[in-house]
Amino acid sequence: AQSVTQPDIHITVSEGASLELRCNYSYGATPYLFWYVQSPGQGLQLLLKYFSGDTLVQGIKGFEAEFKRSQSSFNLRKPSVHWSDAAEYFCAVGARDSGNTPLVFGKGTRLSVIA
Amino acid sequence: ETGVTQSPTHLIKTRGQQVTLRCSSQSGHNTVSWYQQALGQGPQFIFQYYREEENGRGNFPPRFSGLQFPNYSSELNVNALELDDSALYLCASSAGKKNTEAFFGQGTRLTVV
Repeated sequence: AQSVTQPDIHITVSEGASLELRCNYSYGATPYLFWYVQSPGQGLQLLLKYFSGDTLVQGIKGFEAEFKRSQSSFNLRKPSVHWSDAAEYFCAVGARDSGNTPLVFGKGTRLSVIA
Repeated sequence: ETGVTQSPTHLIKTRGQQVTLRCSSQSGHNTVSWYQQALGQGPQFIFQYYREEENGRGNFPPRFSGLQFPNYSSELNVNALELDDSALYLCASSAGKKNTEAFFGQGTRLTVV
């Protein structure tokens, strides 16, 4: 069964600083990988996804993520954080090899941005 | 905005009651998945419907049930509500079973008192 670990519960960064949110997954093969963002009281918005090919994927709002098979990681990065990036971020995995592929989410990392 | 709409936005129910939550999927999508997100947690998969049939279920008791209609909208029903059912319930629609790109609604915040 798949599982996702987001080691950092809460991260605080200064506006304009760089950001990296960590995600490690457990799965027997290469899964589909996703990052979602959730603002308070809202649903989930897809930031980016990895299916195959180039291991560095670009997403919306200036975010990117890198898939590292050897480390079972899919870390999210942004070179310069804006105050509006403050939100909860979820990493998720989906199985490739079955007809039913529910997403398995990590517990999330809450990002705070200070001036 | 994703085009996935959920209703109601919020509701409060009493323990032991029953509740129905609704989801309209995005145009062209035939698959709907439901997730429960408890406070401070990531979403957890409840079940998925594909072309009106249940296509997988997570670790939730039978008092959680669902339906998908011919227009691919969906309902989540929860019977005999418990306090621990208090959560944000999220609906996601996708074009096909593999959830390669699932679009989420804003969620329904259920409070059980």
